[in-house]
Amino acid sequence: DVKVTQSSRYLVKRTGEKVFLECVQDMDHENMFWYRQDPGLGLRLIYFSYDVKMKEKGDIPEGYSVSREKKERFSLILESASTNQTSMYLCASRKGLAGERETQYFGPGTRLLVL
Amino acid sequence: SQQGEEDPQALSIQEGENATMNCSYKTSINNLQWYRQNSGRGLVHLILIRSNEREKHSGRLRVTLDTSKKSSSLLITASRAADTASYFCATDESNTGKLIFGQGTTLQVKP
Repeated sequence: DVKVTQSSRYLVKRTGEKVFLECVQDMDHENMFWYRQDPGLGLRLIYFSYDVKMKEKGDIPEGYSVSREKKERFSLILESASTNQTSMYLCASRKGLAGERETQYFGPGTRLLVL
Repeated sequence: SQQGEEDPQALSIQEGENATMNCSYKTSINNLQWYRQNSGRGLVHLILIRSNEREKHSGRLRVTLDTSKKSSSLLITASRAADTASYFCATDESNTGKLIFGQGTTLQVKP
């Protein structure tokens, strides 16, 4: 079974803090994704990565950055957390990308509260 | 951008009844996937249907895809209280390979 793990289930941070959300997958997937999920807005793609050290902006990258130094690990960074970044953050991984038909696997989510 | 739109937004049924959820999308796709999310948890993959397939079954799940109408449906037969969750469709865009999620249908199955 594919396993995608996230470093924390719940996080509470203060405005202005730097926040790291870690995601690890154990199936040698090339592609990894970060989403945020908010009531009424559904899942929105923040960033994705299709290879080590590669990254692509998703639909809402503002206020976030990412790091992919190793294939299995994809980190989401909030350089200076703000209250409007309070959300559920979901990491996902997938073997194939464009033109390939592959299942995307999700981690359990990190619920972040920024005070 | 959100491509998929689920219908209905919320559904409440009795245990044993069937539940049908619909999803519409706008662009051409490689495949369409359905996911389940229990409250406060991550998404769990249920079933993937390819653009050249019309129907697919997995246990109590039946998914149909009509590419001419750009729509899909998820049928859960003989529902159980444990099926209570939110269900999302996601389309795999042909151009980008990104998954685009709908807003989801919240299903409540009453025991």
